Amino acid sequence: DTAVSQTPKYLVTQMGNDKSIKCEQNLGHDTMYWYKQDSKKFLKIMFSYNNKELIINETVPNRFSPKSPDKAHLNLHINSLELGDSAVYFCASTPPGTYGNTIYFGEGSWLTVV
Amino acid sequence: GQSLEQPSEVTAVEGAIVQINCTYQTSGFYGLSWYQQHDGGAPTFLSYNGLDGLEETGRFSSFLSRSDSYGYLLLQELQMKDSASYFCAVRADQAGTALIFGKGTTLSVSS
Repeated sequence: DTAVSQTPKYLVTQMGNDKSIKCEQNLGHDTMYWYKQDSKKFLKIMFSYNNKELIINETVPNRFSPKSPDKAHLNLHINSLELGDSAVYFCASTPPGTYGNTIYFGEGSWLTVV
Repeated sequence: GQSLEQPSEVTAVEGAIVQINCTYQTSGFYGLSWYQQHDGGAPTFLSYNGLDGLEETGRFSSFLSRSDSYGYLLLQELQMKDSASYFCAVRADQAGTALIFGKGTTLSVSS
């Protein structure tokens, strides 16, 4: 069973479109994240969500909006896609009490904006 | 600014031992973790150091010196499957919302 699953795995879309990436974890974790990995493999945290509290990373454009219907799901919606948004987006979660010391990543969603 | 420095590339042969260093400069420090990522795959947790010293997990060990803002990942008895990127990551705040990753070290293991 996949612990952190995200869909779609691959997404090719045109500039200006709006797209969403869905994420679900079946580990019972309270904290979930979205990470962006660019073409140089640089991993950067975008958002963290602990139960009902969303921690926004101020460097993320407001075109990116996470939504969490419950603690097992954290979706990412992106408005007005730009070429620079092309990257791999990883959903992740962390066990309670570990405060991010141990992170479980999903398989990634490869987003290409053309 | 906050930064983690690690070598960009390391090469080694099967059976050898490799050490990947990581130095950090962050506003806070609550632990150093290491992750492995194969091409096309997801980062996978390897180890965590919250206190100074050595942590051993099979062929992999990780070390931390908080006074030196330094840690390393030691890989022993290298195998071809160890060829991957290795990232160090620092939890810079207590809540775990500020997780900073290094730029990764690409390890190539040859026969």
